[in-house]
Amino acid sequence: DGGITQSPKYLFRKEGQNVTLSCEQNLNHDAMYWYRQDPGQGLRLIYYSQIVNDFQKGDIAEGYSVSREKKESFPLTVTSAQKNPTAFYLCASSRRDRENSPLHFGNGTRLTVT
Amino acid sequence: LAKTTQPISMDSYEGQEVNITCSHNNIATNDYITWYQQFPSQGPRFIIQGYKTKVTNEVASLFIPADRKSSTLSLPRVSLSDTAVYYCLVGDVTGGGADGLTFGKGTHLIIQP
Repeated sequence: DGGITQSPKYLFRKEGQNVTLSCEQNLNHDAMYWYRQDPGQGLRLIYYSQIVNDFQKGDIAEGYSVSREKKESFPLTVTSAQKNPTAFYLCASSRRDRENSPLHFGNGTRLTVT
Repeated sequence: LAKTTQPISMDSYEGQEVNITCSHNNIATNDYITWYQQFPSQGPRFIIQGYKTKVTNEVASLFIPADRKSSTLSLPRVSLSDTAVYYCLVGDVTGGGADGLTFGKGTHLIIQP
């Protein structure tokens, strides 16, 4: 059964610590994305990657870093420089070989930093 | 300027048809219109996509007028489980950029018994 796996579902960290969120897909999609969602808000794009070893900043990249060493994986690191890291983080993927292929999302990781 | 405008919230009742309209006055020639549904604490789920006229699938219909400056998502005979946030996105994802990846605040649809 193909899909996107985000782990863990809930994550707790102390302020000042870096934390890495996992995103794995077995859909054979070229493109992957990270979004952040705050309560009652829409999704905001953090980073996206259209192909392995390449990625671009989204609207709110400051305080975050990513890597794309494998097609299946697109981990997101929330660094201590991120001022308000507590949020719901969503990973998505899409095809690039079909015109305007829709996004497929994981079920998110809820990060709480205290 | 926001690329799309949707109502913040809507209410309806079980068994009714619900129409959610999205305005996108600055839609470009290559832009597609895509709708997603999101339940609490889950990722959004693709519902339907269109370019012009009408598109229908097993869960919804999408009506797009000739000028493409708006679109209407139609949900037939809604049930309580259709209570969710619905997002309208406009853009051209194929180009490789971030166009078409912007989610607004969406429309919170509440279905009552």
